[in-house]
Amino acid sequence: EDQVTQSPEALRLQEGESSSLNCSYTVSGLRGLFWYRQDPGKGPEFLFTLYSAGEEKEKERLKATLTKKESFLHITAPKPEDSATYLCAAQRNYGGSQGNLIFGKGTKLSVKP
Amino acid sequence: DVKVTQSSRYLVKRTGEKVFLECVQDMDHENMFWYRQDPGLGLRLIYFSYDVKMKEKGDIPEGYSVSREKKERFSLILESASTNQTSMYLCASGPLSATNEKLFFGSGTQLSVL
Repeated sequence: EDQVTQSPEALRLQEGESSSLNCSYTVSGLRGLFWYRQDPGKGPEFLFTLYSAGEEKEKERLKATLTKKESFLHITAPKPEDSATYLCAAQRNYGGSQGNLIFGKGTKLSVKP
Repeated sequence: DVKVTQSSRYLVKRTGEKVFLECVQDMDHENMFWYRQDPGLGLRLIYFSYDVKMKEKGDIPEGYSVSREKKERFSLILESASTNQTSMYLCASGPLSATNEKLFFGSGTQLSVL
């Protein structure tokens, strides 16, 4: 069964304390691995798409990496405004639509000043 | 600024009522989606649509139907609301692309069925 698992469920960091969020997936024929950020009371906001193992993408303090079994979202020197729930989603390899996304349950990140 | 607009932020309905959730996007996207989000279960796909009058079932379509009469508008219908349909409902849109384009989400509708 196709599955996306995120860990930890919740992460508390001090401002400036770097860490990583994990997304492991078992999906037949991965077409893309997506990271989204979700603030309370809002819809998810796109961060990155990774297509193949070894690929990396960066945006400000965030860096996403992909292997054949998992993806990591590295947060370097986080700030309180990075507090949010981070969602990972895997796109399955059939059809041509984005209806094949499987979302993980998310990691809730809290960064304290 | 691109936008996906959901008609209601909060909605309270009674068991057995027919409920309409409306979603409008202004990006001329072909694909539109309805998800529900529950604590501990994450985002789950209810229905999606590739084009006007086209619809496809997602992972949890039971108890729901959809309508897409115009490209920019995608409606989710609960024919007879039940308490287990209390949830956050999220609409999303995205372009028709073979290169895995990102989705744009609305702010969500928190539906309570009493």
